[in-house]
Amino acid sequence: GIQVEQSPPDLILQEGANSTLRCNFSDSVNNLQWFHQNPWGQLINLFYIPSGTKQNGRLSATTVATERYSLLYISSSQTTDSGVYFCAVRVPRDFGNEKLTFGTGTRLTIIP
Amino acid sequence: NAGVTQTPKFQVLKTGQSMTLQCAQDMNHEYMSWYRQDPGMGLRLIHYSVGAGITDQGEVPNGYNVSRSTTEDFPLRLLSAAPSQTSVYFCASSYSSGGAYNTGELFFGEGSRLTVL
Repeated sequence: GIQVEQSPPDLILQEGANSTLRCNFSDSVNNLQWFHQNPWGQLINLFYIPSGTKQNGRLSATTVATERYSLLYISSSQTTDSGVYFCAVRVPRDFGNEKLTFGTGTRLTIIP
Repeated sequence: NAGVTQTPKFQVLKTGQSMTLQCAQDMNHEYMSWYRQDPGMGLRLIHYSVGAGITDQGEVPNGYNVSRSTTEDFPLRLLSAAPSQTSVYFCASSYSSGGAYNTGELFFGEGSRLTVL
């Protein structure tokens, strides 16, 4: 099956700093999503981005499908950004099964 | 729209007991699924359904049953709970792809934390 690797596994930053989280995947995908799991365990949709670039406030994401990676940028970090960030992908041959394969996540801790 | 609703949020069982985790969505999504999340293992697919009356197994289906009698509901049943089933369970739904390049964004419920003693 497809392999999804996220880096770095852990990141500790001061409030106000910027960060880049990376997701590499081993096969062609037709769906890529970024999620934020907050300290209460909720999975929050950040981006649905199989290709291209999207921005939402302080967050933006870029997926380069031909090179099999995606980047999540967080600018001017706030303590509420703390949590685990997951990348998840779907391969085209999973037609009819919308299964997402998840990476193991990047744990982000923002220090006041 | 309430989105994806899971109940209960917390449950403690004894080994051998049975229970059902409920999942309902009000977005008219064809696709529904159950994942479990364990420390260091990420999220793994248990079962999924592409429409009413159709279910199939994911990566880790053993010990779990599902059914899909309506578009809205997709319950997950533990027939005889084991300590290895202690986990956080997430239900998720999306529109169905309908084609290899027409895929839907997946939305998750808030999770159900299950402890089996």
